[in-house]
Amino acid sequence: AQRVTQPEKLLSVFKGAPVELKCNYSYSGSPELFWYVQYSRQRLQLLLRHISRESIKGFTADLNKGETSFHLKKPFAQEEDSAMYYCALSGPNFNKFYFGSGTKLNVKP
Amino acid sequence: DGGITQSPKYLFRKEGQNVTLSCEQNLNHDAMYWYRQDPGQGLRLIYYSQIVNDFQKGDIAEGYSVSREKKESFPLTVTSAQKNPTAFYLCASSVRDKTYEQYFGPGTRLTVT
Repeated sequence: AQRVTQPEKLLSVFKGAPVELKCNYSYSGSPELFWYVQYSRQRLQLLLRHISRESIKGFTADLNKGETSFHLKKPFAQEEDSAMYYCALSGPNFNKFYFGSGTKLNVKP
Repeated sequence: DGGITQSPKYLFRKEGQNVTLSCEQNLNHDAMYWYRQDPGQGLRLIYYSQIVNDFQKGDIAEGYSVSREKKESFPLTVTSAQKNPTAFYLCASSVRDKTYEQYFGPGTRLTVT
């Protein structure tokens, strides 16, 4: 069965520290992976997607098919990174999306 | 913000009543989705529609119904058969290209007592 697991409900780091938000998935096939972010009082929005191999706001994510992971990383966290982060998965047809339970990132000054 | 709207923001209903949540988009997106969000559970897909007059059940469709008569509208009805309807409901839309970025609405919080 398809599943996305984000093991950390809350992650607190100090400004300037590296941050890694974990995402593991279960999918029988070749999935497409995404990270969505929800800042305070804003809508859920796309942060980055594996298919684009992009870096957004200093965040990167590498798909590790062997470990079935898609962890989100940033070398130096900023206070404005504080938000709720969701990892999401879709099949090749992009018909359905599966979301993790989310990780709240708190960047302390 | 704009493009995809949901109304109302808060909705209160008595148990046993059906209620319809509105979702409208002016982004010319073909695909639309309804999710339910409960604390600690992330987003769970209720229904999705890839084109007008066609929709598919998601993982938790029981007790819900939808229609897609127009490209820009995808209303969700929470029926009295839904055993635990109190939740936060999110609507999203996306283009059907290789990006499949989903654009989310602001959500509707439904409380059934």
